[in-house]
Amino acid sequence: NAGVMQNPRHLVRRRGQEARLRCSPMKGHSHVYWYRQLPEEGLKFMVYLQKENIIDESGMPKERFSAEFPKEGPSILRIQQVVRGDSAAYFCASSQGIGRNTEAFFGQGTRLTVV
Amino acid sequence: ELKVEQNPLFLSMQEGKNYTIYCNYSTTSDRLYWYRQDPGKSLESLFVLLSNGAVKQEGRLMASLDTKARLSTLHITAAVHDLSATYFCAVDNSEDYGQNFVFGPGTRLSVLP
Repeated sequence: NAGVMQNPRHLVRRRGQEARLRCSPMKGHSHVYWYRQLPEEGLKFMVYLQKENIIDESGMPKERFSAEFPKEGPSILRIQQVVRGDSAAYFCASSQGIGRNTEAFFGQGTRLTVV
Repeated sequence: ELKVEQNPLFLSMQEGKNYTIYCNYSTTSDRLYWYRQDPGKSLESLFVLLSNGAVKQEGRLMASLDTKARLSTLHITAAVHDLSATYFCAVDNSEDYGQNFVFGPGTRLSVLP
């Protein structure tokens, strides 16, 4: 059973370009979470999705950022017109449910560098 | 707004010594998680603490949770070099267990031979 798969692992974009980050949850998991980690900091929650629904996007910047988790295929975090401040590691986590004893598992992350 | 603090932020210790990392949080919660992160890697789940007084141990690490004090500790016994990593605590901020985590800033641990 493969873990949470993220790709690409490393992504370099020029300012103004678009970045697309993909996350395939663990098999059987229908809940996906995206977090951002700036250098030397902890992770910050961005968005929580279930299949075809955004449940909590309280941590998403209001502009340029969007996320989806379609019925088929991976979850996508999309950043339009990237700026240097978007450079960070973006982690995806997935869980089977949301019960009290449910645990989320993290992917390896995508390290975005904006030049 | 939930805030999570850790101390120390940096810890350098010799092999064989004991030490404790502290995690304080600002609002009531009884769901706290500890993770380990190696440089350039993802987060590895260490402990899930789901009730007041919960204590869990794995190898040289032991974690506890005091929800009344809003405090969790991660105790390291007889440290070894392999424990060098950054340790994060995270508190679940969601009301319905949606796992909206608020992470502490991390404690970077270096165990010296």
